[in-house]
Amino acid sequence: GDSVTQMEGPVTLSEEAFLTINCTYTATGYPSLFWYVQYPGEGLQLLLKATKADDKGSNKGFEATYRKETTSFHLEKGSVQVSDSAVYFCALHSSYKLIFGSGTRLLVRP
Amino acid sequence: GAGVSQSPSNKVTEKGKDVELRCDPISGHTALYWYRQSLGQGLEFLIYFQGNSAPDKSGLPSDRFSAERTGGSVSTLTIQRTQQEDSAVYLCASSPIAGGQNEQFFGPGTRLTVL
Repeated sequence: GDSVTQMEGPVTLSEEAFLTINCTYTATGYPSLFWYVQYPGEGLQLLLKATKADDKGSNKGFEATYRKETTSFHLEKGSVQVSDSAVYFCALHSSYKLIFGSGTRLLVRP
Repeated sequence: GAGVSQSPSNKVTEKGKDVELRCDPISGHTALYWYRQSLGQGLEFLIYFQGNSAPDKSGLPSDRFSAERTGGSVSTLTIQRTQQEDSAVYLCASSPIAGGQNEQFFGPGTRLTVL
């Protein structure tokens, strides 16, 4: 069945460092892909999405490109801030539901 | 406007008791989803509704779990004879319609603890 694999955390970075969180997927066809973020004490919220191959989703300085050749949707940000500390979930849309990766905790130190 | 709301925010119950968790979706959203977030299993799909019908119940872990939706709005997830392994955060989400490009908007969750 469809699945999502993302890098295990925690990822600890200093402020202004470059961030990459890897995400790869297995799916039939070309599903929509998402990154959701869960800030401490808050609910899940959509960070960005891409609905077809080569699409780039972007929001709040984060970007991810839908790569069908490598079945990947890696999350990147050029300069992280302390306020980006959160858990990040990669997900794909499969038969009306979301299938999530295991989540990656990011901790940004001042 | 109001987002997805869930109640209660926290529920502590004894093993063997029944619990009901409630979800109020965003007004006008016809699709509603239940997920569970637990330490061992991550985020997993339970069930989804389109209107009042549930085309996909494949994620319900056992027959102790059931859900209904009335009036195309509020949904209730019921867990009978709770077990300790049911302890988790239960998340509800809604979207305008069910479909691949539609964002699912999540509620804050209900944290269930079974003693």
